[in-house]
Formats: sequence, C-alpha cells, structure tokens
Amino acid sequence: QKEVEQNSGPLSVPEGAIASLNCTYSDRGSQSFFWYRQYSGKSPELIMFIYSNGDKEDGRFTAQLNKASQYVSLLIRDSQPSDSATYLCAVNPRRALTFGSGTRLQVQP
Amino acid sequence: DTEVTQTPKHLVMGMTNKKSLKCEQHMGHRAMYWYKQKAKKPPELMFVYSYEKLSINESVPSRFSPECPNSSLLNLHLHALQPEDSALYLCASSQDSLDRPITDTQYFGPGTRLTVL
Repeated sequence: QKEVEQNSGPLSVPEGAIASLNCTYSDRGSQSFFWYRQYSGKSPELIMFIYSNGDKEDGRFTAQLNKASQYVSLLIRDSQPSDSATYLCAVNPRRALTFGSGTRLQVQP
Repeated sequence: DTEVTQTPKHLVMGMTNKKSLKCEQHMGHRAMYWYKQKAKKPPELMFVYSYEKLSINESVPSRFSPECPNSSLLNLHLHALQPEDSALYLCASSQDSLDRPITDTQYFGPGTRLTVL
C-alpha cells in the first residue's frame, strides 16, 4: 500500500464549477497535510496546509481533514482555466514530506 | 518573502563532468532539502539538512554529494552521472521549528532541469 494515494485523473470540470481533489494516507501518526499545485515544467507551489480535523478555508480553496478516515481533500470553488495543473497531496509524518502521485486537474473554458 | 532561489535553471552535462547545483534562501529557515523529480512523477526526497547537519540521506548514490556551507546555502555536487539521472532537481527550505514541528512548511525553489548526455 502506498503511503499517500491520489487518483491520477485527469479530473475535468467546467469553468466556474467546484473541483474536488482527494487524498488518503496510511500512516496514522501523520500530523501535517499539505496541498501543492504544480504547473507543467515548474516547481511545486504551496496552496494550503492543515493540521486539525475539519475544514480550513483560504479564498477559493478549502482543505478538509478527517484523521479517523485518514482522508484529506481540497475543494476549489469557481474553478478557472488557470487552475489547470497537477495537485500534489503531501504528508509529513516524520518531518520530511511524502508526496502522493498527484491529480491532474483540467478546467474547461 | 518565501523565496528560494536555485542556479542554474538548466544544466547539460556529460557523464564524465563534475558540476554543482546551488540553492539559497534568506528566510532564516534552518532546514533545507534536495528532491529529485522525474517527468509525471512526484518529487522524491534525496537529502535533508537540519541546522547545517545532514539529517536524512535517502540511500542516494555517492555520485550525488550534498554540502551545506551555511544556514542559507545548499549545494549538490554531481560527478559521473548517468543518463537516468536526468530530472528536475528541486531545493526546498522550512523553518524546522523544534517546538512546533507539525507546523513546519516547505517552500520550493524553481528547480534545475538537469540533462545528462
């Protein structure tokens, strides 16, 4: 079992819709969870981080964490074509990031 | 300011060359990281320096040699690389707060695109 699992996609949503990206992790000792956005050929850019169960909102982005289910998600409201990228879920159980394989999001104009 | 800089942006080298990648941050971060990323794959951790000491080496071949001259600089020395080492090499840094480790957040530089011929 992979430590961090994501659906590779592509996830295709129309412009203005809500995009929902999901991630599960295997290490119950994980405490920190991160979402990075990566455009093709570029480096990962931090979108959000979450440490506590529940929701955390930042602009159009909402991160959701459920430690009992070992599940973390990212919602993107009012999706824009510029949101088209690969979204990497990362977990930090031992102070070094473990990444999922990423979900490719395509926002159709 | 959450800027990590890396030089060069692109590097092409032969298998007998020796070259170095450089990374710099001025955020007062005390942890610095090297990752390797192949196309369509997530970043893979190579090395971690914490307070200028090597704390994690993910069984990386000895043809990759990291160096941390001071808390702001991180180098990766390359020697006798193979074509399969061609990848995007990413540097990252984080505060490495000893009293609140779960809040430690890594910020990435733009990367060096390495091609080994």
